[in-house]
Order: sequence, then structure tokens, then C-alpha cells
Amino acid sequence: AQKVTQAQTEISVVEKEDVTLDCVYETRDTTYYLFWYKQPPSGELVFLIRRNSFDEQNEISGRYSWNFQKSTSSFNFTITASQVVDSAVYFCALKVGTGANNLFFGTGTRLTVIP
Amino acid sequence: ETGVTQTPRHLVMGMTNKKSLKCEQHLGHNAMYWYKQSAKKPLELMFVYSLEERVENNSVPSRFSPECPNSSHLFLHLHTLQPEDSALYLCASSQDWAANYGYTFGSGTRLTVV
Repeated sequence: AQKVTQAQTEISVVEKEDVTLDCVYETRDTTYYLFWYKQPPSGELVFLIRRNSFDEQNEISGRYSWNFQKSTSSFNFTITASQVVDSAVYFCALKVGTGANNLFFGTGTRLTVIP
Repeated sequence: ETGVTQTPRHLVMGMTNKKSLKCEQHLGHNAMYWYKQSAKKPLELMFVYSLEERVENNSVPSRFSPECPNSSHLFLHLHTLQPEDSALYLCASSQDWAANYGYTFGSGTRLTVV
């Protein structure tokens, strides 16, 4: 069975602090994709990153970085020097096979950055 | 125009009303989706259309009726809804049905059933 767990329901940090959002996934498929989406108060889910199961290289994009570790089935997301605009709900998702029925979202982590 | 546009942004309807949600994508994508987002629950896939044909229907009650007249437009027709149907309804699109490159989401319609 496929599953995505985001154990942190809500996190609050003070601006300029670093914060890591955890994502643990379960699948027996050897080929899969992992995603992170950001949902600001406006509602739309904004695509942040896609990673396939064969690429364990960590990625950095500005203040955002992602740590993919197959050994622990984790795909964690770190925001460095957080800003108020980072306040949002962040979703991790796992895709196996083809078709939208094979896309599994976590329940999200609400991040609040306090000025 | 942004990638995926949903209207209206907010909707309040009585249980006996009939209303429709609209979604339009300007990305040239071939697949479109309806998701339901309720508090504290993972996103729930409702319907999938690929090249205007419905390819997946996740046991959604018949009071929700989708329509995809062309690859750019998707509607969700609502009638005799229940209070538990109150949620954020998100439309999404992807390049194709395989969607391995992810989805582009709209801003959603916040639906309240009274």
C-alpha cells in the first residue's frame, strides 16, 4: 500500500529561522515520484519540486532544499532563513504508476512564520 | 491569464440548489482533474478527464456531475448537496494522464452548503 506521512501538523518559527518539514513515504514500487506543493492562503497548490526514485541527489533552490533518502523513505524539505511569505500549508505527495489515482498526498504541514 | 483559473472563488448554496463550478486551463494540457480538500484530510481525487473523456471516477456521489466539453474547460455540476460536502474544490491539469511531471492547480472554490 502507498502512504505519505507528514507527522508535523503545524509548525511556527520566527522569521529568519531555518525549518525542516518532514515527509515519510511508503511504497513497494521501485519507480516512483515525490513532490512537494505549497498552498498559500489564496488556495492554489503551487508545485515546488519533483524527484524520481532513481535520483537521490539533494537539491537546492534558493532558500529551499530537499533531502531525499531512500534508506529511510524520507523526502524532507528545509527552508533556510524563513520569511513571512513562506507561511502556508505544505504537502508532500507520492506518485506510483500512471494515472491520478496513483498520486497520494500527505495531510500537510501548516507553517507559520512569525515576523 | 494564470495557468488554471477557477470560478467562483466562494460559493454558498442551499441543499436544494443547483450550481456549477468552472475550471479553465491555458496551458495546453490534455488531462484535467477535480479534487476535494476537506480540513485535516488528504486531498481526495474525484474525477479525471483525459482528452475530454472521463477516465477515472472515484465513487463520487451522483450529486456531483462533471462535464468536460473540451480539453481547456472542466465543470462540476452540483445539486442537492449535503453539509458534509462543504470543502475546497480544486481543479488541476497535467500534460497528460500519466502526470509524471506533476499537476498545476487552480486556486479552488470554497463551497459552503447550508
